[in-house]
Amino acid sequence: LAKTTQPISMDSYEGQEVNITCSHNNIATNDYITWYQQFPSQGPRFIIQGYKTKVTNEVASLFIPADRKSSTLSLPRVSLSDTAVYYCLVGDYNQGGKLIFGQGTELSVKP
Amino acid sequence: EPEVTQTPSHQVTQMGQEVILRCVPISNHLYFYWYRQILGQKVEFLVSFYNNEISEKSEIFDDQFSVERPDGSNFTLKIRSTKLEDSAMYFCASKRDHGRNTIYFGEGSWLTVV
Repeated sequence: LAKTTQPISMDSYEGQEVNITCSHNNIATNDYITWYQQFPSQGPRFIIQGYKTKVTNEVASLFIPADRKSSTLSLPRVSLSDTAVYYCLVGDYNQGGKLIFGQGTELSVKP
Repeated sequence: EPEVTQTPSHQVTQMGQEVILRCVPISNHLYFYWYRQILGQKVEFLVSFYNNEISEKSEIFDDQFSVERPDGSNFTLKIRSTKLEDSAMYFCASKRDHGRNTIYFGEGSWLTVV
């Protein structure tokens, strides 16, 4: 499974756009990039998944450059409730493939 | 949104006692998982389960741990003789099928061993 590197923490203010970048230099051809969010004392929650280019859903966008060695999770107009830990995971989740979590990025949104 | 449900939400047990954590995965999901998270640390994979057998397990999942799907809806994690270091949040998760589907997590069972 590809190793990922992301900032340990980030600060933002309400209403701002937040971009969290994850490096995954040894990503394999079959690997997908998945982001999860976790609030304290709660289970991780799926945010978005992609393979290449750009993916957008109702909560976030995921930008993946052509070489796929990094990815950026974009959260538009964050609110206080977006304060959480965000995990970037890389792997081939076909079949029963497990998720391997790193330390994640602790995002703190301030008023 | 479909939910994975876990019980109990919190359990306190004495060292050496057996504990069973219960999970109801999302209906019609085929893959089931247990993860744990020690306070302040990252989420760690324990075991995956498919077709009524363990498909993969981590080094953490030693002989004191076991999993079972006793009926068509429940998925359990048994810790045979708890140790202080087993204190953690345990998350159950499930996935629909073989494809690259979302893995859904439950809200967790917080185990405190005293």
